[in-house]
Amino acid sequence: ILNVEQSPQSLHVQEGDSTNFTCSFPSSNFYALHWYRWETAKSPEALFVMTLNGDEKKKGRISATLNTKEGYSYLYIKGSQPEDSATYLCASLKGGGADGLTFGKGTHLIIQP
Amino acid sequence: NAGVTQTPKFRVLKTGQSMTLLCAQDMNHEYMYWYRQDPGMGLRLIHYSVGEGTTAKGEVPDGYNVSRLKKQNFLLGLESAAPSQTSVYFCASSYPWERPTYEQYFGPGTRLTVT
Repeated sequence: ILNVEQSPQSLHVQEGDSTNFTCSFPSSNFYALHWYRWETAKSPEALFVMTLNGDEKKKGRISATLNTKEGYSYLYIKGSQPEDSATYLCASLKGGGADGLTFGKGTHLIIQP
Repeated sequence: NAGVTQTPKFRVLKTGQSMTLLCAQDMNHEYMYWYRQDPGMGLRLIHYSVGEGTTAKGEVPDGYNVSRLKKQNFLLGLESAAPSQTSVYFCASSYPWERPTYEQYFGPGTRLTVT
């Protein structure tokens, strides 16, 4: 994998259901994997930053896992609520970390009441 | 703290005109970045800076110049605007020393239209 890829591109989920989506990234020269939440008309905000293989992070109903050997991360949302509607971006940081992030195109999540 | 601010919020330019976008941060961050966001393309890095007086090219630097004369400010210049530069521009900053995860803090964005 040369770029950061996210799937699916968009997702409609019923309120109360759980969901997950995927980020694939180059595993070579890996430094860190970021997840951002981006609400319409706002700026992206960091959800998680993960660096170690096997990392699992949790914030409320949202959690993420990381597999650096195979180059993927999953984001899980448990019991989706309307306020979870947003675009979720993942981004890969390579090397020493100063070069900026390479972003995926995002997963656009819509929670239907 | 205001965090990361961007000026202006909106701008319409004619082809060939020039302008400068200003990004300012009050968090004493060392690293600053300029991204552009286009439909279906995600965020792409234009230029970045790892400290005052230093800049480097990102993924899509052509047609843009940058300067970091002061630690808190990062300027993005368009010398001769083209319709292909119509986009939303985001500035971000990060502080690597205490938190070596390079979490980025984003500004509110500047929506630029070139006609």
